[in-house]
Amino acid sequence: GNSVTQMEGPVTLSEEAFLTINCTYTATGYPSLFWYVQYPGEGLQLLLKATKADDKGSNKGFEATYRKETTSFHLEKGSVQVSDSAVYFCALSGNQAGTALIFGKGTTLSVSS
Amino acid sequence: NAGVTQTPKFRILKIGQSMTLQCTQDMNHNYMYWYRQDPGMGLKLIYYSVGAGITDKGEVPNGYNVSRSTTEDFPLRLELAAPSQTSVYFCASSYGGGDTQYFGPGTRLTVL
Repeated sequence: GNSVTQMEGPVTLSEEAFLTINCTYTATGYPSLFWYVQYPGEGLQLLLKATKADDKGSNKGFEATYRKETTSFHLEKGSVQVSDSAVYFCALSGNQAGTALIFGKGTTLSVSS
Repeated sequence: NAGVTQTPKFRILKIGQSMTLQCTQDMNHNYMYWYRQDPGMGLKLIYYSVGAGITDKGEVPNGYNVSRSTTEDFPLRLELAAPSQTSVYFCASSYGGGDTQYFGPGTRLTVL
């Protein structure tokens, strides 16, 4: 079945460091791919998404490219801020009726000043 | 728009008690979902609905029930609470299958 694997955390960085969080997936067909972010005590918010191969999703300085050949959707940011500290979830969704999101386990990012 | 709202925010139940978690969305979305989030485990789908009057089981439906009498509301019912149901519960909605899902703030439930 469909699944998502993302790198284990926690990830601890200093402000202005480069961030990569790896995400790979297994899926039949052509899923949409998402990154969601969860700030402490809050629900999940969509960070970015890509719906087909080679699409690049971007938002708030974060980017991820849908790589079908490597079945990956790695999240990157060139210069992290303390306010980026949160849990990041990679997810996929098939384009079928009733398809829910399948989530990775989440990666906790802590950024210190 | 308020988006997706959930009540209550926190609740403590005793084993065997029952309760209903409320979820309402004002975006006129067809699809609604209930997930549970356990520490370090990501989110697991409990039930989902593709429209009023239509519901279906997700990955972990045991011990839960849902109904969808209106487009806006999708309550989740726990009939006989068990410690294994201690979790954070999130409701979400989307316009269609495969579309971006919008999440509520969550309900933190503890069963003692």
